[in-house]
Amino acid sequence: EAGVAQSPRYKIIEKRQSVAFWCNPISGHATLYWYQQILGQGPKLLIQFQNNGVVDDSQLPKDRFSAERLKGVDSTLKIQPAKLEDSAVYLCASSWEATGELFFGEGSRLTVL
Amino acid sequence: ILNVEQSPQSLHVQEGDSTNFTCSFPSSNFYALHWYRWETAKSPEALFVMTLNGDEKKKGRISATLNTKEGYSYLYIKGSQPEDSATYLCAFRILSYNTDKLIFGTGTRLQVFP
Repeated sequence: EAGVAQSPRYKIIEKRQSVAFWCNPISGHATLYWYQQILGQGPKLLIQFQNNGVVDDSQLPKDRFSAERLKGVDSTLKIQPAKLEDSAVYLCASSWEATGELFFGEGSRLTVL
Repeated sequence: ILNVEQSPQSLHVQEGDSTNFTCSFPSSNFYALHWYRWETAKSPEALFVMTLNGDEKKKGRISATLNTKEGYSYLYIKGSQPEDSATYLCAFRILSYNTDKLIFGTGTRLQVFP
């Protein structure tokens, strides 16, 4: 069974530039999550999708972050414009049921200079 | 604000040592507690999902216990090996009328020296 795929693995940009991350969850998983993990902190939920509907985006900084999940499968997370404090690992995860065992991708490490 | 705390922050042990670390979480409105292992440059992977007070789960040399009344879970590694070196994350599931999500702790970083 293929795991959760994410790209790119690494990205370095300057502040005020934009960046997009892509995630392909495990086939059949209805729930998809984007987490932000800043060095020294635990992963923080940015947004949770159930199929292509948003379940929770309460901690998504909506002035600069956006996310979509097309046709209930792949998802993209965009940051525009990036700030220095957005430097983090962005983890995508999926699960069979909402907040059941999570299956994570390898993460996308973003450095904002 | 709900807090999930893990201790210690980091741990260095020799190969063969047994070790344990703690996850503390709110004792009210408990629903589930997850443990994940995150090796460098790899995906975090689930170790255990625990739901019942007094639960004990085991996977090879790793085991976990759960006390929902006092709000803590212990993770034990027996006879640590270098391949156990990773960050161990716990996550508390919050379930209410308007939210259902995991709150992660900051993790315990384990290094096992040969």
